[in-house]
Amino acid sequence: NFILTQPHSVSESPGKTVTISCTRSSGSIAGNYVQWYQQRPGSVPTTVIYEDTRRPSGIPDRFSGSIDSSSNSASLTISGLKTEDEADYYCQSYDFSNHVVFGGGTKLTVL
Amino acid sequence: EAQLLESGGDLVQPGKSLRLSCAASGFTFSTFAMSWVRQAPGKGLEWVSTISGNAGRTYYADSVKGRFTISRDNSKNTLFLQMNSLRAEDTAVYYCAKDRTPYSSGWYSGDYWGQGTLVTISS
Repeated sequence: NFILTQPHSVSESPGKTVTISCTRSSGSIAGNYVQWYQQRPGSVPTTVIYEDTRRPSGIPDRFSGSIDSSSNSASLTISGLKTEDEADYYCQSYDFSNHVVFGGGTKLTVL
Repeated sequence: EAQLLESGGDLVQPGKSLRLSCAASGFTFSTFAMSWVRQAPGKGLEWVSTISGNAGRTYYADSVKGRFTISRDNSKNTLFLQMNSLRAEDTAVYYCAKDRTPYSSGWYSGDYWGQGTLVTISS
């Protein structure tokens, strides 16, 4: 199995751009799709990116996902930050035994 | 639109058992893999277990293997999690979540989540 490592927290000002990384410990990041979930305080997780780069309907194009094989990591980029983006963000993938793996989560503060 | 509603959470003593349910509606339940994901107080998301749409395949996190059993009743559009030999570290909100893609053997990407049910293990 593998581990997905995320920074514990990031902060940025409204209107700016922030990138949250998710590094896979073993195996290729490109080998299995990565999803990103947003969880606001007291709320249920919602998908902001799935299959590495795809946005569900209703998610603004300020949210984008990418993968980088050289660093074996996935990234979630949020541009034009709004205070409503303040939340915990989790990356998620799975292994070839269909075991699901979540990253530890990143707390985004928009200040 | 898909809806998921968990129930069955409670305060129970260590070593006891509990059964969680998740009632599904708004989609063809039998064609989607389902998972249980938990979140301990103030902690991150932790995958617990997955079951394929036809219940032919089940998968478990090492932390619950041998103690928890996932099942489903497709005739009643309901997902279950039987939890035995409960420990303090099982204390969490338990979410059921639907996979995005029909006929997948595993749960690869969640698109709908329930509101969660709280399980507290304490003497």
